[in-house]
Amino acid sequence: AQKITQTQPGMFVQEKEAVTLDCTYDTSDPSYGLFWYKQPSSGEMIFLIYQGSYDQQNATEGRYSLNFQKARKSANLVISASQLGDSAMYFCAMRSTDSWGKLQFGAGTQVVVTP
Amino acid sequence: DGGITQSPKYLFRKEGQNVTLSCEQNLNHDAMYWYRQDPGQGLRLIYYSQIVNDFQKGDIAEGYSVSREKKESFPLTVTSAQKNPTAFYLCASTSGQQTGELFFGEGSRLTVL
Repeated sequence: AQKITQTQPGMFVQEKEAVTLDCTYDTSDPSYGLFWYKQPSSGEMIFLIYQGSYDQQNATEGRYSLNFQKARKSANLVISASQLGDSAMYFCAMRSTDSWGKLQFGAGTQVVVTP
Repeated sequence: DGGITQSPKYLFRKEGQNVTLSCEQNLNHDAMYWYRQDPGQGLRLIYYSQIVNDFQKGDIAEGYSVSREKKESFPLTVTSAQKNPTAFYLCASTSGQQTGELFFGEGSRLTVL
């Protein structure tokens, strides 16, 4: 069975600083995908970044980067130059290659960006 | 603009009543999903459909039912058999291409009084 663990329930970060959100996973599947989503207070889930298990390089999307350490089974999200609009819940999720859309989500990390 | 529309945004119901949540997408996606979110928790999969007229149970299907008569629509019925229906419900879809990320609606918050 797949499992996603996010150990940080919440964190504060100052504007313009970088923040790292931890995510570890457990799976026996050789091929899988890892996602990060942002959920602002409005409730909608916003896709941020994706990392495939066979991707050689860490994924980056603008101010978001994914620190993928396959041997440690970790997929930490790094947000650089934090902005007030980054305040939200952040979820790490995983799927197997043969189960499109069937994501296993972590419990989430609440990020509050302060001026 | 393409997207997923969920309605209603907020819904109140009395115990023992069935309620149907609407989900419509104009992204031309084949696959659609329903997730449930409880406070302080991640999302859990209720039902999913990969093609019209076909759907499968997810991890927490008991007390829920769905239909998929049209590609664009995937309504979820929360029945009176669902023991703890108060939650935030999110509908999603995916094309299954490339990374296969899910596109989500804005959610429906159901409160049972």
